[in-house]
Amino acid sequence: DGGITQSPKYLFRKEGQNVTLSCEQNLNHDAMYWYRQDPGQGLRLIYYSQIVNDFQKGDIAEGYSVSREKKESFPLTVTSAQKNPTAFYLCASTAGRTNEKLFFGSGTQLSVL
Amino acid sequence: DAKTTQPNSMESNEEEPVHLPCNHSTISGTDYIHWYRQLPSQGPEYVIHGLTSNVNNRMASLAIAEDRKSSTLILHRATLRDAAVYYCILRDPYSGNTGKLIFGQGTTLQVKP
Repeated sequence: DGGITQSPKYLFRKEGQNVTLSCEQNLNHDAMYWYRQDPGQGLRLIYYSQIVNDFQKGDIAEGYSVSREKKESFPLTVTSAQKNPTAFYLCASTAGRTNEKLFFGSGTQLSVL
Repeated sequence: DAKTTQPNSMESNEEEPVHLPCNHSTISGTDYIHWYRQLPSQGPEYVIHGLTSNVNNRMASLAIAEDRKSSTLILHRATLRDAAVYYCILRDPYSGNTGKLIFGQGTTLQVKP
């Protein structure tokens, strides 16, 4: 079945450590997104990519980095510069510039030790 | 970017219809109106979308005002499984910013047995 897979489901970060969240899709989608969700809050856009080897900052990109070397993969690195990383992270994809719906992964819960 | 405004929370009784409103007064002529819902600790899932005409699918109906400045998601018979956060977002497939999809805080729907 086609879909979007995030791993791991739970992740713990030590202070000063960089951690990478994985997002893979086999839907042949051009566009991929990373959102952050804090408890009781909506989704805030971190980064998005509309095509391989290109990505743009969202509203809260500071302390995060991404890469888009392959169409199916869009990993998110939470760097040590992100001082409050505890949150639920969601990856999404869509076919891109046509009017297509978003598909979301099941999320990664990141906590600080 | 065009924004949407939704009530923070709504309540419904089981088996009764639910009307979830969304205001989007700055909507452009090519913006599609999309609705997603999110269950606790899960990624959002697509519900329905439309441009000008009212739309129906197996999950819900979408009623769009004639001036397109507002829309209403209709759940015809609420069940306990419909308790979720519902997000209304705008998507413009022809805009240069088509990738920057902004989610608000959504409406938390409670369904009472």
